[in-house]
Amino acid sequence: GDSVTQMEGPVTLSEEAFLTINCTYTATGYPSLFWYVQYPGEGLQLLLKATKADDKGSNKGFEATYRKETTSFHLEKGSVQVSDSAVYFCALSDRGNFNKFYFGSGTKLNVKP
Amino acid sequence: NAGVTQTPKFQVLKTGQSMTLQCAQDMNHNSMYWYRQDPGMGLRLIYYSASEGTTDKGEVPNGYNVSRLNKREFSLRLESAAPSQTSVYFCASTVTDTQYFGPGTRLTVL
Repeated sequence: GDSVTQMEGPVTLSEEAFLTINCTYTATGYPSLFWYVQYPGEGLQLLLKATKADDKGSNKGFEATYRKETTSFHLEKGSVQVSDSAVYFCALSDRGNFNKFYFGSGTKLNVKP
Repeated sequence: NAGVTQTPKFQVLKTGQSMTLQCAQDMNHNSMYWYRQDPGMGLRLIYYSASEGTTDKGEVPNGYNVSRLNKREFSLRLESAAPSQTSVYFCASTVTDTQYFGPGTRLTVL
């Protein structure tokens, strides 16, 4: 079945450091891939998405590229800020069945000033 | 435009008590979902409703029931709460391939 695996946290970085959070997926169909962000005490918010191979999703300085050959969708940011501290979730949905979404376990990011 | 709203925000129950978590969306979405979030386990799907009048079980449906009251509202009921149901519950609605989440209900069962 479909699933998402992402690196365990927490990840602790200093402000302006480079961020990578790894995400790999298993899917039987042709999934769309997502990164969601959850700030303390809030629900999940869509950060970025990519719908087909080699697409790059980007938002607020974050980027992720849909790599079909490695079944990966790693999240990157060149220079993190304290305000980026949150939990990040990788997710997929099967474009043949938008009713099902699969989430990774989440990676907590702590950014220190 | 409020998006997805959930009530209550916090709730404490005793074992065996019942309660209903309410969810509403004003985006005219067909599909709605209930998830629970537990530490280290990400989000697990409890039930979903692909359209008004239909509901389906997700990964962890035991101990829960749902009602899709109309297109806007999707409620989750715990008939006899257990400590294992202590969690944060999120409602979501979907358009095409993107989910929109409510702020969550933090439930503690003593």
